Formats: sequence, structure tokens, C-alpha cells
Amino acid sequence: GESVGLHLPTLSVQEGDNSIINCAYSNSASDYFIWYKQESGKGPQFIIDIRSNMDKRQGQRVTVLLNKTVKHLSLQIAATQPGDSAVYFCAENPPPGNTPLVFGKGTRLSVIA
Amino acid sequence: AAGVIQSPRHLIKEKRETATLKCYPIPRHDTVYWYQQGPGQDPQFLISFYEKMQSDKGSIPDRFSAQQFSDYHSELNMSSLELGDSALYFCASSLGTGGDEQYFGPGTRLTVT
Repeated sequence: GESVGLHLPTLSVQEGDNSIINCAYSNSASDYFIWYKQESGKGPQFIIDIRSNMDKRQGQRVTVLLNKTVKHLSLQIAATQPGDSAVYFCAENPPPGNTPLVFGKGTRLSVIA
Repeated sequence: AAGVIQSPRHLIKEKRETATLKCYPIPRHDTVYWYQQGPGQDPQFLISFYEKMQSDKGSIPDRFSAQQFSDYHSELNMSSLELGDSALYFCASSLGTGGDEQYFGPGTRLTVT
């Protein structure tokens, strides 16, 4: 079937290594950011979020870093596993509230076993 | 836990036909968002509803309309379908107006021939 992310940048990592996926966002006033994981043919799956009053947030095997100065987000995945293979999107939520998410360009993560 | 439900999962239509996509948000979620995702593209926001009222509008063509019903489910109506409408259509839901933690459904794959 048709795949999401046919023309997206790809990051290939060895199983067990750490992965870092980067994202630039557009609105300096955005105050909430989310990383989504999207497997082929499926909807985006929430991974981790961060608010603009923080610069780092950790979850299970994932860490999000926020650099507001340069409008940059990164997602770090520790001990990458084959099941992490997917397209990863960052999304920003510009103010005011009740606004839709603005997605960044996705990155395809390919884990080499 | 209950997730966002979308139906149908796959839909094939011919040019100039109409289509209706349905979305059932997570129970107690009062906000619904519709996104369109073309091949290799990030999700693009179409329209959203909060408490049965349109809350925001994105790049939704005039040929499309949507509404949210009293039970909070939403329908996206698409008329005069064009080949370029072929895409994955995602619905997401959230609780409240902050746009926080939008949970996505599995999507409807629309193919226009």
C-alpha cells in the first residue's frame, strides 16, 4: 500500500544506538510542542510533549529538548529498537488556545537490526 | 482505553462523486480536528470544532464541509471529488480548548479515480 513519508529525509541507525531527530518550528510565540510517531497507514501517535517554559522533558526512552532561541526541537530516543522505525513529526501549537497543530516536516527513522 | 474511531477506513470514489467521512472522538473529548495528509506530506489542518461550533478553519476547500453533532462525533462531507483529494484523512480529538494532546484516529484512506 501507499506509504507515508515517501520523500522525507531518512535517519538510519543501528539497533541499540541512540537516535536524534531534529525539527525547526516556525512560530516564536508557540507555547506547546508535541512529537508524534507515525507508522505506515496509521494515524500519528503521541510520544511526548513539552511546554515553552521548559527546555527538556524526559519520558520512557525518549527525551525532548527545546531551544526557543533558535526555534528548534529535538527528539532523542535511547537504545533504538526496530519497533521505533516510523516517520516522526514535530508539531507546534501557536497561541491562543484552541488552535490546530502545525506540523513540521517528518523524518523517517529506519532502524537497522 | 477508547481511542478515536474513524469510518470508513478505506473509501474509493470516482471524480465528481461525494464522500462522507465520520469521526467519533474519545469519550468526553469535546474538540475535533480534521487533517489531510497527502503522500509524503505532513498532516495539513482542515477544520476544527469545539462544543459543536466551528472553532478554526484551515486549508479546507469550499467543496468540503463539516459539522460536529450533539454526541460530539463529526462528519466531513466532500463533494465534487477531484483526483487531488486522494489522501489520508485524520481526525483528532482533545479535551478542552487548549489544543493540547490531540489524539489521532487511524485515518480514512480516500482514493479518487
